[in-house]
Order: sequence, then C-alpha cells, then structure tokens
Amino acid sequence: KNEVEQSPQNLTAQEGEFITINCSYSVGISALHWLQQHPGGGIVSLFMLSSGKKKHGRLIATINIQEKHSSLHITASHPRDSAVYICAGSNKLVFGAGTILRVKS
Amino acid sequence: NAGVTQTPKFRVLKTGQSMTLLCAQDMNHEYMYWYRQDPGMGLRLIHYSVGEGTTAKGEVPDGYNVSRLKKQNFLLGLESAAPSQTSVYFCASGPLAGGRNTQYFGPGTRLTVL
Repeated sequence: KNEVEQSPQNLTAQEGEFITINCSYSVGISALHWLQQHPGGGIVSLFMLSSGKKKHGRLIATINIQEKHSSLHITASHPRDSAVYICAGSNKLVFGAGTILRVKS
Repeated sequence: NAGVTQTPKFRVLKTGQSMTLLCAQDMNHEYMYWYRQDPGMGLRLIHYSVGEGTTAKGEVPDGYNVSRLKKQNFLLGLESAAPSQTSVYFCASGPLAGGRNTQYFGPGTRLTVL
C-alpha cells in the first residue's frame, strides 16, 4: 500500500462542473502539496498547506490533519484544467500516483 | 529568470551506455532533487543535495550517481544504462528542505534505454 493514495485515478468532467480530487496519506507529514502536470510534462506547484484551506482562483485545497486527508476542488471547470494532479506529503516528499483529469467542452 | 532547466530533453541509449543529465537553476536555491516518473507510479526521489558539495541518497538511488560541484548545477549520471532506467527524469530545486516549501521543477528529460 502506497503511503499517499489518490482517488480517482481518472476523472472526466464536463466544462463547468465542480471537481473534487482526494488524497489520503498514512505517514506523518508536516505539509501536503498539490502539484499540476500538464500534457507537455511540466510540473507546477499549486498549493502547500499544513492546516485548513487555501484558495487560488478557481482552485481550493483543504486538509484534515486528524483524518490524514486532503482534497483539491476545482470550481467552474474548464478544458484548460485538463492535467494530472499530484499530491505529495512531506517531510521528505512522498508522491501519490496522480489523478488524470480531462474536462470536455 | 530561466528557473530550472534540464538538458537534454530527450535521449535514447543502448544498454550499457553511460550519460549525464544536467540540471541548472538560477534561483540560488540550496536544495536540489532528482526524481524519476514512471507510468502508474508517483514521482520517486533518486538523489538530492542540501547544498554545494553535498549529495544524499533518496528512495531509488541504485544505478545512479550525482554531483553538485556548483550550487546552481546538479548532475545525474548513469554509468551503465539498463532498460529499467527508461523513465522521465525531473529535477527540482527549493529554498528549504523537502516539504517545507515549494519545489520548482524542470521540464523533464525523457530517457529510453534499449
């Protein structure tokens, strides 16, 4: 069993839908990272959070330390949101396998 | 600023050949990392460095060597490539250790070992 598990593995949504990607971890962490990887391969850091919630534009990340669970939400999804979303737990970064998101217009 | 750059972007090797991947960052970051990404698996840490002249093993170090002779550069070497090393390799850098701050990733190097 991986130390960081993501669900779903694949997600297809219609433009405008509200999307949730989940991340559960079994290791003690000091922070949880959400990353975005576009089809071209580049990886961008979206959020780093250790408690509560963070918001950036249409993206919202939450974390529940007691339940060892984090969620990434995308509101009003758009085809340009299509990417692989990866969560990672620190201290030493341990990565989930990623969620492949496709948003259809 | 160029951020984190990697060379080459693509490479095909035959089993047993050697090569070096170069990572360069212009953000004056202390910490640098090499990861590999394989289908269905998360990024896995190969080696990392906490500063110029230092290196340390990550989760999957076997078959790789690294050097950090200059703060801005982190080299990943494959002395005798094997098909199991076919992967996409990412370099990253950050101002603080591991998960305590944002890591900045390079564009990746796609390596195929025949």
